[in-house]
Amino acid sequence: QSALTQPASVSGSPGQSITISCTGTSSDIGGSDYVSWFQHHPGRAPKLMIYDVSNRPSGISNRFSGSKSGNTASLTISGLQAEDEADYYCSSHISNSIPVFGPGTKVTVL
Amino acid sequence: QVQLVESGGGVVQPGRSLRLSCAASGFTFINYAMHWVRQAPGKGLEWVALISYDGNNKYYADSVKGRFTISRDNSKNAVYLQMNSLRAEDTAVFYCARDRTRRGTEADYWGQGTLVTVSS
Repeated sequence: QSALTQPASVSGSPGQSITISCTGTSSDIGGSDYVSWFQHHPGRAPKLMIYDVSNRPSGISNRFSGSKSGNTASLTISGLQAEDEADYYCSSHISNSIPVFGPGTKVTVL
Repeated sequence: QVQLVESGGGVVQPGRSLRLSCAASGFTFINYAMHWVRQAPGKGLEWVALISYDGNNKYYADSVKGRFTISRDNSKNAVYLQMNSLRAEDTAVFYCARDRTRRGTEADYWGQGTLVTVSS
């Protein structure tokens, strides 16, 4: 399966905005409408934050937004809050319904 | 509300087998494909397997193909992962996750996970 790349860590101060990138290829992110982002606090169930590139599930704050340009998807967190500190994973659907995950980005709130 | 509860994890010797279960509630189970995803210690998420809503289509990661089998019982609202010929590198927290569709696109709800440790 293909590999996605994400920065290992991103940090920001409370109230700031940060953006996490997720880079793939035309075989995954570039060619798929199914790009999603998950928030994972250690020891807890991962939580879907964005699906279909830019859609937010019900109950997810509008501080979280997703976009895609070419082979790179992005998750932006605006108005950063302490509870946003977590690991964030991107995922893209490739062939035959198979999803692939990025390596994860640790978000630190300074 | 959607609930997914995994069970069956534990300590097992290399080469042995283990069967994980995931009990689903709070939604119409037969309408959704289901995934197993794992996270090895200190590592990221790794997709393991997917089964369509009716059980007719199954997909596996290359790392587990031929050793793991995903199945479901729609009468019991449950999905299973039979793991054979376990290796040390299979040590991980295994998560059950619901897909957003019947056939498989993106996972949405996840369980809390069950830990599998493969060690002699």
